[in-house]
Amino acid sequence: IAGITQAPTSQILAAGRRMTLRCTQDMRHNAMYWYRQDLGLGLRLIHYSNTAGTTGKGEVPDGYSVSRANTDDFPLTLASAVPSQTSVYFCASSVVAGMETQYFGPGTRLLVL
Amino acid sequence: GQNIDQPTEMTATEGAIVQINCTYQTSGFNGLFWYQQHAGEAPTFLSYNVLDGLEEKGRFSSFLSRSKGYSYLLLKELQMKDSASYLCAVGDSNYQLIWGAGTKLIIKP
Repeated sequence: IAGITQAPTSQILAAGRRMTLRCTQDMRHNAMYWYRQDLGLGLRLIHYSNTAGTTGKGEVPDGYSVSRANTDDFPLTLASAVPSQTSVYFCASSVVAGMETQYFGPGTRLLVL
Repeated sequence: GQNIDQPTEMTATEGAIVQINCTYQTSGFNGLFWYQQHAGEAPTFLSYNVLDGLEEKGRFSSFLSRSKGYSYLLLKELQMKDSASYLCAVGDSNYQLIWGAGTKLIIKP
């Protein structure tokens, strides 16, 4: 693989269910990010990780959790999905944290019913 | 609060020039990015400005005025493939990016 991959590509989920969105990068980037993108709004940061073993909360962290056990993987978990979490989710990475170019995965389109 | 403003939609003609504006109010400033996003795809990096002035990269140029909280992206010799959304993002005092909602650019033949 080259770059960032996300899985699944899309998902329909019943409200109340638990869901993990997967993100893997092979660029050995230190920093990784999860965003959600909703129509008419800018990308909003959910959680981030500046380096393996550390995570931080972004602008809209409620209802989401992340882990960063190694450099390559940064999964995002919705513990109990709600309809307001219907969105397109993008994972991104950058060489280091700070003002570095971010490289985005293809996105996961999630519909919560 | 923090705010990034961009026009929602713009239309231009193939071969022409278009300027997409971005104004911002953020807690601190640590650079401004422009990204391109085709429909249904991921954003991709176009440019980064941290100092005032114009940065030119082929058909695309980006300008920054920190004192005015203003940037623009200039696209020359428009091609149909330039039809996309253009996202402005500013690095705040915590080095997190604050994103505008994007400008959808429609190119007509």
